[in-house]
Amino acid sequence: QQQVKQSPQSLIVQKGGIPIINCAYENTAFDYFPWYQQFPGKGPALLIAIRPDVSEKKEGRFTISFNKSAKQFSLHIMDSQPGDSATYFCAAFSGTYKYIFGTGTRLKVLA
Amino acid sequence: DAGVTQSPTHLIKTRGQQVTLRCSPKSGHDTVSWYQQALGQGPQFIFQYYEEEERQRGNFPDRFSGHQFPNYSSELNVNALLLGDSALYLCASSLIGRDTDTQYFGPGTRLTVL
Repeated sequence: QQQVKQSPQSLIVQKGGIPIINCAYENTAFDYFPWYQQFPGKGPALLIAIRPDVSEKKEGRFTISFNKSAKQFSLHIMDSQPGDSATYFCAAFSGTYKYIFGTGTRLKVLA
Repeated sequence: DAGVTQSPTHLIKTRGQQVTLRCSPKSGHDTVSWYQQALGQGPQFIFQYYEEEERQRGNFPDRFSGHQFPNYSSELNVNALLLGDSALYLCASSLIGRDTDTQYFGPGTRLTVL
């Protein structure tokens, strides 16, 4: 019940494409859902986050779609660039003060 | 505005040894969480410190311990190292209050146990 399931494991898109990464959770106590971007050898960097009271949030080229009834949320990267090539992690947070992370999606954007 | 800093960057130890990793939180933050990230995996929560006390702990053995100092910096100690402890150890800081759930990560310490 504490798991966050992330898919796909890896993704290859052409430059300008719109990669979509999906996450699903079970525990309805989760109330904050961030996405992190991680480059090799670096720590995760916060990209964008959403709370369950909204269905969509956009920040620059990054959009989160949230489906509370299905307990699913996804990250869309508009006009993807080779510099977006990285590993993306979704996470879920509850009042127990800790993040539960997904298993990660390795994205490669071809030039 | 300094972000989260960690030291050392890399560390090599042998089985059975003990290690101490250090973290300074982002300026203005008062809470520090530690995570272990094995190669190809997502970060796994170890524990969180606030007001110099451990607030929450993940599924890690007692070999993993920590400390938070009055200036909010923190240490992670691992005793009796095992090969399986080889991982990237991440520190994340946050601020108790409205943005408690927004955590910022440091660059990590790469620990290799031989």
